[in-house]
Amino acid sequence: GQSLEQPSEVTAVEGAIVQINCTYQTSGFYGLSWYQQHDGGAPTFLSYNALDGLEETGRFSSFLSRSDSYGYLLLQELQMKDSASYFCGVYNTDKLIFGTGTRLQVFP
Amino acid sequence: NAGVMQNPRHLVRRRGQEARLRCSPMKGHSHVYWYRQLPEEGLKFMVYLQKENIIDESGMPKERFSAEFPKEGPSILRIQQVVRGDSAAYFCASSPDTVTGELFFGEGSRLTVL
Repeated sequence: GQSLEQPSEVTAVEGAIVQINCTYQTSGFYGLSWYQQHDGGAPTFLSYNALDGLEETGRFSSFLSRSDSYGYLLLQELQMKDSASYFCGVYNTDKLIFGTGTRLQVFP
Repeated sequence: NAGVMQNPRHLVRRRGQEARLRCSPMKGHSHVYWYRQLPEEGLKFMVYLQKENIIDESGMPKERFSAEFPKEGPSILRIQQVVRGDSAAYFCASSPDTVTGELFFGEGSRLTVL
């Protein structure tokens, strides 16, 4: 089977840096994705790591270590609008399996 | 280019009725996925379909739930004899042929069972 673990909640202040970790157990691993979801909204794609290392996209970066079955999402220069839930997802053969999500609250 | 379109956005049903949720993928996308999200919870994979084929239904409840993606028209998730526990947001996502790691989600259909 598959399992993903990520913290349930993280809090930070505007301008800060926050890291959301994700550990996974799965077979047939293709890559690790990250999605953002605001309350009442649709999940939106942030990043995808198929290979080890760091991928940077603006204020957001994502890291993957396949040997450790571990990845993280790094959010820099936090803004109030970054308050949302963040889901890591493992691409397993033919589908994306999500973790339970991390709720990020950004305070002024 | 329109995004993934889901309807209805909100649906209210009484226990025992049927719910039909529709999803039109993005133009050019042939892969459709359905996810269920209970309040304050994560996204649970239900089923993965391509045109006229169910590829993976490992997340579908064994009874009352079915899905299809016909040659013409939208994908449909059908829930028969709904119960209160079926109340949730149902999200459809689509992707192109290649594995890019990116799914494009619709705004979801929120089912309330009275």
